[in-house]
Amino acid sequence: NAGVMQNPRHLVRRRGQEARLRCSPMKGHSHVYWYRQLPEEGLKFMVYLQKENIIDESGMPKERFSAEFPKEGPSILRIQQVVRGDSAAYFCASSPSKGVGNTIYFGEGSWLTVV
Amino acid sequence: TQLLEQSPQFLSIQEGENLTVYCNSSSVFSSLQWYRQEPGEGPVLLVTVVTGGEVKKLKRLTFQFGDARKDSSLHITAAQPGDTGLYLCAGLRFGNEKLTFGTGTRLTIIP
Repeated sequence: NAGVMQNPRHLVRRRGQEARLRCSPMKGHSHVYWYRQLPEEGLKFMVYLQKENIIDESGMPKERFSAEFPKEGPSILRIQQVVRGDSAAYFCASSPSKGVGNTIYFGEGSWLTVV
Repeated sequence: TQLLEQSPQFLSIQEGENLTVYCNSSSVFSSLQWYRQEPGEGPVLLVTVVTGGEVKKLKRLTFQFGDARKDSSLHITAAQPGDTGLYLCAGLRFGNEKLTFGTGTRLTIIP
C-alpha cells in the first residue's frame, strides 16, 4: 500500500526559474494538502485541495505560488520566478476524508534549493 | 502566535528511562495527531486522538488527549536508541482542515 508519493525529492533552481513539485496521494485519498518547512522552522500549512477544487489557500503566498489537483494525475505545486527565500522543504499530505477524526499522512517531501 | 507549545524542546536521556513530552494550547482541537520526523524525511504519523480524555497505547508509547481537548501528552516507557527523533504534535480545529504543528521536541536516547 504505497504512501504519499512526492517528486522530485530534491530540486535545484536558479533565481527566476520555475519549480514544479508533484504529489500523488495515498490510494483512496481525495484530499490533498501542501505544507512548507523553512530552515529551522516548523511546518506551515499552505493549501488544501480536493479533486479539481481549491478548498483553502489561506497559507499560500499571494504571488508566484499556485496549486492544482486535476481530475486525473498528481497534485502540482508550482512556484514561478523562484527567489532564495523559497528554498525549503515542501511536504504533501493526503487524507481519505475531512472533519473530526481526520487522519493526515505525509509524503517524504521535496527539497527545493534556489541558487 | 504559536498555538501549540511543546515541552521540553530538547530531551536527552539514558536508554531504559521513561519520559513524557507535553503539547499544550489555549485553543480547543477536534483532534490531535502525533508525528515523528527524521532529518531529511517527512513526518510519520504515530497516532490520532479524537475524544477528550482518550488514551491510546502503541507498544511502549502512550498518548493521552486532555479532557478539555486543549492538550496532549506522549509517554515513552523504557526508551530505546531507536526512539531518537523529532516528535511533533499537530492539531485540527473544528470545521478546519489545517493542521497546526507544535514547536517540536527533539529527543535523544543515549545507549
